[in-house]
Amino acid sequence: AQSVTQLGSHVSVSEGALVLLRCNYSSSVPPYLFWYVQYPNQGLQLLLKYTSAATLVKGINGFEAEFKKSETSFHLTKPSAHMSDAAEYFCAVLNNAGNMLTFGGGTRLMVKP
Amino acid sequence: DTAVSQTPKYLVTQMGNDKSIKCEQNLGHDTMYWYKQDSKKFLKIMFSYNNKELIINETVPNRFSPKSPDKAHLNLHINSLELGDSAVYFCASSQEGSYEQYFGPGTRLTVT
Repeated sequence: AQSVTQLGSHVSVSEGALVLLRCNYSSSVPPYLFWYVQYPNQGLQLLLKYTSAATLVKGINGFEAEFKKSETSFHLTKPSAHMSDAAEYFCAVLNNAGNMLTFGGGTRLMVKP
Repeated sequence: DTAVSQTPKYLVTQMGNDKSIKCEQNLGHDTMYWYKQDSKKFLKIMFSYNNKELIINETVPNRFSPKSPDKAHLNLHINSLELGDSAVYFCASSQEGSYEQYFGPGTRLTVT
């Protein structure tokens, strides 16, 4: 069974600072991995996905993530945080059948002025 | 154009009542899902339907019954509501083979 662990339920950065949100996965087969963002009182929006093509994946709003098989990681980064990036971020892995997402516990990103 | 819509957005009800949440997608997708997000923001899948057939039922109490009248709709009916059912329920959809799931805005259910 697949699983996802997000280290750090809360991350606080200053505006303009580097954003790093950590995600480690467990999967017996090459995984499909996703990052979603949830703004307050809204649904989930797909930021980016890894589906076994390029290991460095670029997403929306300046975010990117790198798939590292040796570390079983898929960390999300952004060079410079904006106030508008404050939200909850979820890492997820897709099951082998391609019909079920397993989510990590989420990381709340706070951006200080 | 709303891709995945849910109604109602907020639902407040008393224990023991029966309620329904509706979901519609206009993306032409063939698979729809219900997820539950608890008070700690933890997201877990409840059901998955593909072409109106139940594919996944993840240890959800029998009080929860999804119904898919057609590929574009997946409704969630909950009988005998309990306090622990309070959560945000998200509907999502995807097209087989694309792997991307599109989420609705959520329905916040509060059971008092």
